[in-house]
Amino acid sequence: GEDVEQSLFLSVREGDSSVINCTYTDSSSTYLYWYKQEPGAGLQLLTYIFSNMDMKQDQRLTVLLNKKDKHLSLRIADTQTGDSAIYFCAERGPMDTGRRALTFGSGTRLQVQP
Amino acid sequence: EPEVTQTPSHQVTQMGQEVILRCVPISNHLYFYWYRQILGQKVEFLVSFYNNEISEKSEIFDDQFSVERPDGSNFTLKIRSTKLEDSAMYFCASSEGTSGRFMDTQYFGPGTRLTVL
Repeated sequence: GEDVEQSLFLSVREGDSSVINCTYTDSSSTYLYWYKQEPGAGLQLLTYIFSNMDMKQDQRLTVLLNKKDKHLSLRIADTQTGDSAIYFCAERGPMDTGRRALTFGSGTRLQVQP
Repeated sequence: EPEVTQTPSHQVTQMGQEVILRCVPISNHLYFYWYRQILGQKVEFLVSFYNNEISEKSEIFDDQFSVERPDGSNFTLKIRSTKLEDSAMYFCASSEGTSGRFMDTQYFGPGTRLTVL
């Protein structure tokens, strides 16, 4: 079945860039997502990328997709203490199967030090 | 901004008891979902629901589980006879239900932490 893997922990200093990495196994993934979870809150969609794109930029967030290596990354520029949270990578399979289930990674805890 | 809400935020139950977890999806959404996250593990898909029936379910969603939309606003997950291994955070989500190549973003609630003793 599909699998999504992430490193568990990342610590950066305020003002630095953070790069969170994710690998996935399903070559038919259509959408890949980054969700953010703050303590006590639900999963908030941060950004996404469609599988026919290589890069997507959204303010401080840059998503890079290497479809050949099945590697996805999220770069946060000028990381702030408010960015401290758990970041989940998720993928969705082919649209034509009707599947809507998301497959999540285990989440990367980002700690931003002042 | 509309959001998905879930109640209760924490539920403690004895093994073998039935529990019902409640969710209020975003009002114009058509697809509803349950996911769970056992402590220290990945968020796992359980079931999706559309047009008053299950549209997709995972292997985890066995006969112990059921879902229902009892009225126009609530969406519930029932676990008939809880086991210790059902202890997890349960997330409800909803999406507009757009089809085709559109993304159909899933919006998640804050979760219900279920503890089975």
